[in-house]
Amino acid sequence: GQNIDQPTEMTATEGAIVQINCTYQTSGFNGLFWYQQHAGEAPTFLSYNVLDGLEEKGRFSSFLSRSKGYSYLLLKELQMKDSASYLCAVVDSNYQLIWGAGTKLIIKP
Amino acid sequence: GAVVSQHPSRVICKSGTSVKIECRSLDFQATTMFWYRQFPKQSLMLMATSNEGSKATYEQGVEKDKFLINHASLTLSTLTVTSAHPEDSSFYICSALGLASSYEQYFGPGTRLTVT
Repeated sequence: GQNIDQPTEMTATEGAIVQINCTYQTSGFNGLFWYQQHAGEAPTFLSYNVLDGLEEKGRFSSFLSRSKGYSYLLLKELQMKDSASYLCAVVDSNYQLIWGAGTKLIIKP
Repeated sequence: GAVVSQHPSRVICKSGTSVKIECRSLDFQATTMFWYRQFPKQSLMLMATSNEGSKATYEQGVEKDKFLINHASLTLSTLTVTSAHPEDSSFYICSALGLASSYEQYFGPGTRLTVT
């Protein structure tokens, strides 16, 4: 079967750095997305990785290792507004998005 | 660019009635749209994939006669929850597949359905 694993919940301090991991086992791979979702709102796009390596975009970076079936989202200089759920999703061989359950990130002052 | 709207944003209906939710791609044509349901503190659950001009493809366990999907144009897909019951109360989100060669889904703002 297809599976996406991410931690259920993480807590970090304002101003710090946090890394949210995602491991996947899917039938084929056509890229991996990270989305941010605030409570009661729809997801918003953060990043897309299809090649190995690190993609940096401001305070957020995303890393992919296809051989390990592994990705992480790195958030720097955390702000209170970063409190949200972070969803990892993989595009499989049928071009379907397989969603992880999401990681709820709690930021404390 | 790539804005998706949903209407209504919130709806309260009585048990047994039907509710229609619209999903529109405002500045691009979307041949494929997706309908998701999300219960509190849970992740997105794909209900169906909607392709313009053809029948929707439903995920296992989703009743196609209860959740009617119509994708009659390249900018509009509708989800009708028929004979709604309290257990159908949920957050319904649509998304549209982006431009060619992109797998990114652009999400609508969601519709909060409460069935009393």
